[in-house]
Amino acid sequence: QQPVQSPQAVILREGEDAVINCSSSKALYSVHWYRQKHGEAPVFLMILLKGGEQKGHEKISASFNEKKQQSSLYLTASQLSYSGTYFCGTEDNAGNMLTFGGGTRLMVKP
Amino acid sequence: EAQVTQNPRYLITVTGKKLTVTCSQNMNHEYMSWYRQDPGLGLRQIYYSMNVEVTDKGDVPEGYKVSRKEKRNFPLILESPSPNQTSLYFCASSLVRNQPQHFGDGTRLSIL
Repeated sequence: QQPVQSPQAVILREGEDAVINCSSSKALYSVHWYRQKHGEAPVFLMILLKGGEQKGHEKISASFNEKKQQSSLYLTASQLSYSGTYFCGTEDNAGNMLTFGGGTRLMVKP
Repeated sequence: EAQVTQNPRYLITVTGKKLTVTCSQNMNHEYMSWYRQDPGLGLRQIYYSMNVEVTDKGDVPEGYKVSRKEKRNFPLILESPSPNQTSLYFCASSLVRNQPQHFGDGTRLSIL
């Protein structure tokens, strides 16, 4: 079952912050985050593992709440280059399969 | 340069005509997978492979076959393509499970 991402779309002005949420009905082992720009392949942002700490990547960071089976991606002081569609991928304790959410479309305007 | 290479990038074909989309990686990765991407549905996994000769079904395997005879190659086979398989396909690889996945540039398939 696909994880659920929210919001489905968000529009920001440069410099504003955003939070993208990813929620699963299964107990999770890991959460992956990717960004895809229009017409391009998805690009890896970060992985959060069960029992791991919050990760950061430039001004983009993420958290993983194992008990709630949720992850959040935080984008601070957004830049035009942050525009794209963000996908979370989840892996449960049982399987080897990565299941992606439907994506969150982020648009940053000047 | 480390990369995942898919071919062809674009293909228009007709119902029932067998086709193969090739995927090759030069990073000695053990884990490879195929996804299809459709508007509003995100990326859905078709098949994945943990290593040579080890493959397993993903979320949407119906109508597809794969093989992993060599570590670097993971072709996707559509034996009898149908219009509902019109989609954007991505191949991806990672060193092992739970490592960053590197995606190919995608293959846009249109089945008429």
